[in-house]
Parts: sequence; structure tokens; C-alpha cells
Amino acid sequence: EDQVTQSPEALRLQEGESSSLNCSYTVSGLRGLFWYRQDPGKGPEFLFTLYSAGEEKEKERLKATLTKKESFLHITAPKPEDSATYLCAVQAGNNFNKFYFGSGTKLNVKP
Amino acid sequence: DGGITQSPKYLFRKEGQNVTLSCEQNLNHDAMYWYRQDPGQGLRLIYYSQIVNDFQKGDIAEGYSVSREKKESFPLTVTSAQKNPTAFYLCASQSSPNYGYTFGSGTRLTVV
Repeated sequence: EDQVTQSPEALRLQEGESSSLNCSYTVSGLRGLFWYRQDPGKGPEFLFTLYSAGEEKEKERLKATLTKKESFLHITAPKPEDSATYLCAVQAGNNFNKFYFGSGTKLNVKP
Repeated sequence: DGGITQSPKYLFRKEGQNVTLSCEQNLNHDAMYWYRQDPGQGLRLIYYSQIVNDFQKGDIAEGYSVSREKKESFPLTVTSAQKNPTAFYLCASQSSPNYGYTFGSGTRLTVV
């Protein structure tokens, strides 16, 4: 069964304390892996797309990496404004309209 | 600025009542989607549409209906047949098949 699992469910960091969020997947025929940021009561905001193992993307304090089984979202020296829920989604198979979403990691960065 | 507009932001439904959630986009995207978000779960696909006058069921279409009469608009009706409609509903559009979504700001539906 195609599946996407994110860990941890919640993460509390002190400002400046770097860490990583994990997204593991079991799908056939990966087409792309997508990271989104979601603030409370709002729609997700697109961050990155990764298409093949070994690929990396960076944006400010965020860096996303991809292997054949999982993706990491590395957060370097986080700030309180990085607090949000981070969602991972995988597009796989022949149905381009099918995305498998993880349940998210809720990040809280304390000043 | 281009984007997706969902309305209303909050909606309350009485038992046995149908309600319609609005989704409008000015991004000129062909594909549009409706997802449902519940606490502790990943987003689940309700319906999607790739072109005007065509739409497909997603994983949890029972109790919902949609229409796509215009490229810009993709309204979702939550019918009385949907037994557990309380959730956060998200509309999204996509410019190309391999690209990420652009999401609206969501509608929170509550049964009263």
C-alpha cells in the first residue's frame, strides 16, 4: 500500500537549535516529492519539489534532501517565525492527479 | 495578484442541510482539486477536475458533489448524505502535472 509517514509528529526547538524533519514513503514509481508549510487556519504554502534521489533544494534556513526511501527537511538556526506545520506529499504512479500526503510535523520554535 | 479565493472562511451546517463552498482562481490553471483536512490525518482527495465540464472522484467522494462550468470556478457541495462533514476544506490548483499545488486559505465547516 502506498504510504507517506512524517516524523516526529511535533517538534519543539529553541531559537537557533538546528534539526531535521523526516518524510518516509513507500510508493511505486515516484514522480516527485513536495514540501509545504501550513500556518494555523490557513492553506498550505508550497516550499520545494524534489524529483530524484540525491537532489537538494534550499530556501533561506530550509534545505530539503531526497533519497530513494525518504526526504529530510533540515532547518538551520530556526527562528520563531519558522513555527508552522510542515507537510510532505508524494506524487507517484501513472495518475498525475494522485498525491499522497503525510499527516505533518508541527514545529514550535521558542525564542 | 493571482491566487485562489475560498469562501466563506467559516460555515455552519445544520443536520440534513446541503451547503456549497466556493473556490475561484485567477491563475489560469487547468487542474483544480478539493481536499479535506482532519486533525492528525493527511489531506484526503475529494474531487478533482482537469478541464472544464469534466471532473473525477477522489478517495472520499461519497456525500460530496462538484461542478466545473468555468475554468476559474470549482464549487464543492457538501450534501446531507455526508455523515461527518465537520472538517477544514482546501481547494487547490495546479499549473502542470509535475508541479506543486497552489492552495486557497480554506473553509472550516462545522455541523451544528
